[in-house]
Amino acid sequence: AIRMTQSPSSFSASTGDRVTITCRASQGISSYLAWYQQKPGKAPKLLIYAASTLQSGVPSRFSGSGSGTDFTLTISCLQSEDFATYYCQQYYSYLRTFGQGTKVEIK
Amino acid sequence: EVQLVESGGGLVKPGGSLRLSCAASGFTFSSYSMNWVRQAPGKGLEWVSSISSSSSYIYYADSVKGRFTISRDNAKNSLYLQMNSLRAEDTAVYYCAREHPSYDYYFDYWGQGTLVTVSS
Repeated sequence: AIRMTQSPSSFSASTGDRVTITCRASQGISSYLAWYQQKPGKAPKLLIYAASTLQSGVPSRFSGSGSGTDFTLTISCLQSEDFATYYCQQYYSYLRTFGQGTKVEIK
Repeated sequence: EVQLVESGGGLVKPGGSLRLSCAASGFTFSSYSMNWVRQAPGKGLEWVSSISSSSSYIYYADSVKGRFTISRDNAKNSLYLQMNSLRAEDTAVYYCAREHPSYDYYFDYWGQGTLVTVSS
C-alpha cells in the first residue's frame, strides 16, 4: 500500500498566521490527492481534491499544491475555526490511504 | 441533501461479530462507489474497504482482509460492513463515505459515524 507521511504531526499557531502542512507519498500518485479537515467529535470534511482544486464552499484562504510525491496544504490567514486536524489521502491506488494527520493548535 | 447515517455499532467481545449499516439518501445511491473508514480513539483515519456501484469491485485494507465483508443493497439504498473475528484493535468509530464518481475518487460526503467497542 502507498504510505502517506504528513509533517509536522502537530504545531501551534496564532490567528492570522500563514501555515503550511506537508504530505509525502511513498510513490508517485500524480495529483490524486485530497485534503480533509476534522474537528473533535465530527466527521472529516473535504477541503481540496486533485491536489489543488478547492471543494465548493471552502474558503479561499485554503490552497493546495504539488504532484507526484510531494504536496502541501496552505492556510493563508488562520482563522479561529481552522484549528483542527488535517489529513491528506491518496486515491491513486484502489487501496486508499490517509496520512497520520496534522493537528493545528492555538498558540 | 445528501445524508449518510450509520448504525449497528456497540460493545462486542473479542472474537465476536457485528454488522454495520449505512443508510443513504438525497442522491442516486446505485451510481456511487462507497467506502468504510474508521478512526480508533485518539488516532487518525484508516481506510477499511470500498465497493463499486454494482458491487463488481471490492477492496479491503490488509488489516481487515478475511475478517470483514462489505456489501450493498441498491434497492434499499444501504451499505453494510459485516465484521467477524473482532479484535481489540478494531475498536473505532466507523464512517461510511461516498466516493466521487469519476476520475477523482475522493470522498465527498461522510456520515457521522458509529462506535464499535471490542472488549471483554
